[in-house]
Amino acid sequence: QKEVEQNSGPLSVPEGAIASLNCTYSDRVSQSFFWYRQYSGKSPELIMSIYSNGDKEDGRFTAQLNKASQYVSLLIRDSQPSDSATYLCAVTPRGSSYKLIFGSGTRLLVRP
Amino acid sequence: DVKVTQSSRYLVKRTGEKVFLECVQDMDHENMFWYRQDPGLGLRLIYFSYDVKMKEKGDIPEGYSVSREKKERFSLILESASTNQTSMYLCASTSMNTEAFFGQGTRLTVV
Repeated sequence: QKEVEQNSGPLSVPEGAIASLNCTYSDRVSQSFFWYRQYSGKSPELIMSIYSNGDKEDGRFTAQLNKASQYVSLLIRDSQPSDSATYLCAVTPRGSSYKLIFGSGTRLLVRP
Repeated sequence: DVKVTQSSRYLVKRTGEKVFLECVQDMDHENMFWYRQDPGLGLRLIYFSYDVKMKEKGDIPEGYSVSREKKERFSLILESASTNQTSMYLCASTSMNTEAFFGQGTRLTVV
């Protein structure tokens, strides 16, 4: 089992819709969770970080963490074509607060 | 403005050559990472370092080594480049439990 798993997609949504991206992780006591966005040919850039159970909102983005079920999700409201990118989930595993493990990413396509 | 800088954006090397990829960060971060990214495989951790002269293997260390002689600099070394090491290489740095900042990436082609 991979440490961090994401559906590769592509996830296709119409402009203005809510895009829901999901990530599961294997280490139950993982500490920190991050969502990165990566445009083609570019480096990943941080969108959200979340450390405790529940929801965290930042503009059109909401991260949701459920440690009991070992998943973290990212909701993008009012999706725009400029949101089309690959979204990477990253987790800091147990016993290694400095190590960062990435999922393989979900490609999001927002149709105008 | 925080910065992670990789020495080259594009590199073309011959099979068997020794290749050095350099990464410098100006945020005084303790932790630095080297990843490679290939289509469909995501970001795979090659090596990371949590302090000067300290290093740990990631998931795919074979064929690579690293050096961290100064806190701000983390080098990835391909001892004898092979065509299966053609990839995008990304350097990142973090402080404890904080987000990772990435360099611009180096696209390495081994011919």
